[in-house]
Amino acid sequence: DVKVTQSSRYLVKRTGEKVFLECVQDMDHENMFWYRQDPGLGLRLIYFSYDVKMKEKGDIPEGYSVSREKKERFSLILESASTNQTSMYLCASSTRVSGANVLTFGAGSRLTVL
Amino acid sequence: GQSLEQPSEVTAVEGAIVQINCTYQTSGFYGLSWYQQHDGGAPTFLSYNALDGLEETGRFSSFLSRSDSYGYLLLQELQMKDSASYFCAVLRSGATNKLIFGTGTLLAVQP
Repeated sequence: DVKVTQSSRYLVKRTGEKVFLECVQDMDHENMFWYRQDPGLGLRLIYFSYDVKMKEKGDIPEGYSVSREKKERFSLILESASTNQTSMYLCASSTRVSGANVLTFGAGSRLTVL
Repeated sequence: GQSLEQPSEVTAVEGAIVQINCTYQTSGFYGLSWYQQHDGGAPTFLSYNALDGLEETGRFSSFLSRSDSYGYLLLQELQMKDSASYFCAVLRSGATNKLIFGTGTLLAVQP
């Protein structure tokens, strides 16, 4: 089975701190994603990467950056955390199955910014 | 731009049939997917409709009508374990691999 592992399940940070969220997948997928999930808003795409060192903005990239130095690892960076970035962050990688672009998600990282 | 709208909550009883709708406004996309997410868990893939019509996978079926900008997930013979959030999602055409999700529907199955 494809496994997507997020390094931290729960984090508490202070406003202004730099935050790193790490994600590793073990199935050699080219595409990786970062979403945030908030009640009533569903999953919103922050950034995605289709290859090493390649990235593309999603719908809500402001306040975030990403890094993909190795194929299996995709990091989300909050340069200066703010309270409105308190959320559940979900990492995913994807593959094509019978024409469908199927995402496999990690367990999520719940970030609280105080 | 594009948006996918779903009802926020649906309640049904065990053994019943429930339909979760997804209406979308998007300039173009490859197909409609559905994901299930149990409380505290990660979303998992359920189904995909590339073409108009009904796709059946066991107790779950999914439907797409591009002309109506509409799709739905049909769950039959509901079980308590089906209580979860369900999200529709589209893969935007012209923007490879960007999967955009709907707002999600919380399904509560009651005894």
